Amino acid sequence: DQQVKQNSPSLSVQEGRISILNCDYTNSMFDYFLWYKKYPAEGPTFLISISSIKDKNEDGRFTVFLNKSAKHLSLHIVPSQPGDSAVYFCAASARDLGNEKLTFGTGTRLTIIP
Amino acid sequence: DTGVSQDPRHKITKRGQNVTFRCDPISEHNRLYWYRQTLGQGPEFLTYFQNEAQLEKSRLLSDRFSAERPKGSFSTLEIQRTEQGDSAMYLCASSSWDRSYEQYFGPGTRLTVT
Repeated sequence: DQQVKQNSPSLSVQEGRISILNCDYTNSMFDYFLWYKKYPAEGPTFLISISSIKDKNEDGRFTVFLNKSAKHLSLHIVPSQPGDSAVYFCAASARDLGNEKLTFGTGTRLTIIP
Repeated sequence: DTGVSQDPRHKITKRGQNVTFRCDPISEHNRLYWYRQTLGQGPEFLTYFQNEAQLEKSRLLSDRFSAERPKGSFSTLEIQRTEQGDSAMYLCASSSWDRSYEQYFGPGTRLTVT
């Protein structure tokens, strides 16, 4: 039962344009969402997070949007840079239940074309 | 802040052997997590510690797996009688008590069971 889904295994975007990565979840108890970036042979690197009480969080070039009614979140990267090429994972947790574990999606490989 | 470190980075072992991995979290973090990642999947939660107490274990963690965090600092994950299905990347993460939802990952230990 995949509770966090990233339906696009890969995405290619021209340098300087906007990259939009999408994530859907099924568990309505999730109340905190995170995006991680992963380079080959490295562990995931925390990028940005959002609580379910918000619908947007911005940090530099990265913005995460949350649509609770649709159980959907997205990560926007603008402008996209070659160093953004990596695998991006969406993750969720149910903090209010005292549940510390993160549930991850299967990832989206982003390739920025120079 | 030296980040989360894991040792070894790579381990090749024969089926039936025991292996042990070590994780050193970020020094001020009291929470420590173990995840496992296989090809094409996101990390899957195995277990987590708050200080030296192991508070949650996934059903993925069979009886052959044991984790410890004896003094609330570093942690070890042991796999006994390894099987080929144990081949994966084993990731450790840590978080602080006040921002437990933001987990910071180490580089991982890649286990190959032949």
